[in-house]
Amino acid sequence: GAGVSQSPRYKVAKRGQDVALRCDPISGHVSLFWYQQALGQGPEFLTYFQNEAQLDKSGLPSDRFFAERPEGSVSTLKIQRTQQEDSAVYLCASSFRGEIHDSEQFFGPGTRLTVL
Amino acid sequence: SQQGEEDPQALSIQEGENATMNCSYKTSINNLQWYRQNSGRGLVHLILIRSNEREKHSGRLRVTLDTSKKSSSLLITASRAADTASYFCATDSSASKIIFGSGTRLSIRP
Repeated sequence: GAGVSQSPRYKVAKRGQDVALRCDPISGHVSLFWYQQALGQGPEFLTYFQNEAQLDKSGLPSDRFFAERPEGSVSTLKIQRTQQEDSAVYLCASSFRGEIHDSEQFFGPGTRLTVL
Repeated sequence: SQQGEEDPQALSIQEGENATMNCSYKTSINNLQWYRQNSGRGLVHLILIRSNEREKHSGRLRVTLDTSKKSSSLLITASRAADTASYFCATDSSASKIIFGSGTRLSIRP
């Protein structure tokens, strides 16, 4: 399909386990965003890429969270030593333009992470 | 922390009625966007209004922006069952990110 895809859709991890979440943005989209969405809340910004450059990672909650986009397309969000408070839906979004102003974001379906 | 706050948190109306949701924000913005999220899905962009615009229409959607009051409203006219979803406003707080509110959960009763 032509939309943003994310995998896996669901992930159950034991506390302390490392997880990797994948995002395939729309082909040609310059910007890529990761968000964390707790139940009943709006998405909270985690990090932003323009092509392969990570321009803002101010939303990453701790140094256990790491994101990369090495070739400027697919991105991976890695969470090390998962904790129960990491349980949330992780949303990826991409946009065509490099600047975020006036730029619609296209969202993937999200990965629901449950940490036991 | 989230910049935008939607009001009400939840809204239940009869099909065919109009639904109005409000969003307030704290700092100056370049634009404000509204998104919809169906249960278990990603967000879908509805409309973007720039800081120099006061009103914008798209189909059954009408968005207003009052920068002096730092508030926006989303009106959905002639609501349908398919409009049942959560609605979020989002503002660009910096050059690299947009900030979402906590959302309004809209339920349309048949």
